Amino acid sequence: SQQGEEDPQALSIQEGENATMNCSYKTSINNLQWYRQNSGRGLVHLILIRSNEREKHSGRLRVTLDTSKKSSSLLITASRAADTASYFCATVTNRDDKIIFGKGTRLHILP
Amino acid sequence: DGGITQSPKYLFRKEGQNVTLSCEQNLNHDAMYWYRQDPGQGLRLIYYSQIVNDFQKGDIAEGYSVSREKKESFPLTVTSAQKNPTAFYLCASSIGGTRRLFFGSGTQLSVL
Repeated sequence: SQQGEEDPQALSIQEGENATMNCSYKTSINNLQWYRQNSGRGLVHLILIRSNEREKHSGRLRVTLDTSKKSSSLLITASRAADTASYFCATVTNRDDKIIFGKGTRLHILP
Repeated sequence: DGGITQSPKYLFRKEGQNVTLSCEQNLNHDAMYWYRQDPGQGLRLIYYSQIVNDFQKGDIAEGYSVSREKKESFPLTVTSAQKNPTAFYLCASSIGGTRRLFFGSGTQLSVL
């Protein structure tokens, strides 16, 4: 089972624009994390937001969490060509120790 | 250098053969995980281990086996019972509490 579902599946934007990706999940969570994956590589942790937090910032990244809607969004501001990658949300539940990933959003930044 | 090392980077399996993927970490993390990734897809959890000598099945454990004899090592065996093993396999370890994951660089397994 996949807890998180990202939306959109793919996104192409011009360099300098902002990119927004969304994640929906099904059960109550302890925290939600966003990861980035360049093609053929391992994932890299970007940012973590706890269930009692609503918004968090890290550099050009902004994450929001709405536990009532069971959804999160990742905003990348002032996009760069190097931001081209796949982005995944992952949820850590209160129920067990599993960390479950969504299917990801493929982001392509056009020069 | 602290981190997670997966080997080999590429692996080929013949019909009926078992193959073992290596995962070693020197981060002193208690928890380790194995994920499978198919092209253009997300990660699916195969097995995970919170402590030495203990592990639990994930969502797609059939056809796979693991061991956790040492804290640093969590090898994954893809058995002949796994009929569609071609995929990218990722190993990760995590810090307690938040469960933030640190990933290896992956192993691409293909069937000859």
